[in-house]
Amino acid sequence: QQQVKQSPQSLIVQKGGISIINCAYENTAFDYFPWYQQFPGKGPALLIAIRPDVSEKKEGRFTISFNKSAKQFSLHIMDSQPGDSATYFCAPAFSGAGSYQLTFGKGTKLSVIP
Amino acid sequence: DGGITQSPKYLFRKEGQNVTLSCEQNLNHDAMYWYRQDPGQGLRLIYYSQIVNDFQKGDIAEGYSVSREKKESFPLTVTSAQKNPTAFYLCASRTPGGTEAFFGQGTRLTVV
Repeated sequence: QQQVKQSPQSLIVQKGGISIINCAYENTAFDYFPWYQQFPGKGPALLIAIRPDVSEKKEGRFTISFNKSAKQFSLHIMDSQPGDSATYFCAPAFSGAGSYQLTFGKGTKLSVIP
Repeated sequence: DGGITQSPKYLFRKEGQNVTLSCEQNLNHDAMYWYRQDPGQGLRLIYYSQIVNDFQKGDIAEGYSVSREKKESFPLTVTSAQKNPTAFYLCASRTPGGTEAFFGQGTRLTVV
């Protein structure tokens, strides 16, 4: 069974600070590296994702950094806001035809305090 | 609008009863998934289906059953054999070979 290890389990950051969440994986066949965001009582939704042909992708305050050799990718939230308080999941996947595996990390609960 | 609809949003079950959670999608996705989420916990896979009339057990299938008679629908039945069913249940879909997974808004099941 493919393993996905996410850390930390919880994170408290002051408003304006940087939040960093990490995800380590084992399967070198993965070629799609997303982060999902979940607010309480809601379903997760895709936040940002990266392909292995680039080492970094930025969308607004959110950045994914990808380290293929270390089999890790991370989510950086710059200028963290109270509205970013949510649970974040990584879910590396293989996007080839016939791929159905969809395994999530255990999640990181982020609390941004004013 | 395309998406996944789960119903009901809240469900109460008496001990010993079976209940069925609905999941419908109009995204034309082949693959559908059911996850269970406990407070402060991650997403644990119950069942998934790759195609109509086919489904596979996930990590915690005991006490649950599913069917996939239509591409659009993947209902989950929580049976009386599930000893601790109180949880938040999430349905998702994805195109095989695709990327993004789409989730419904969840059903919160409580045993009373």
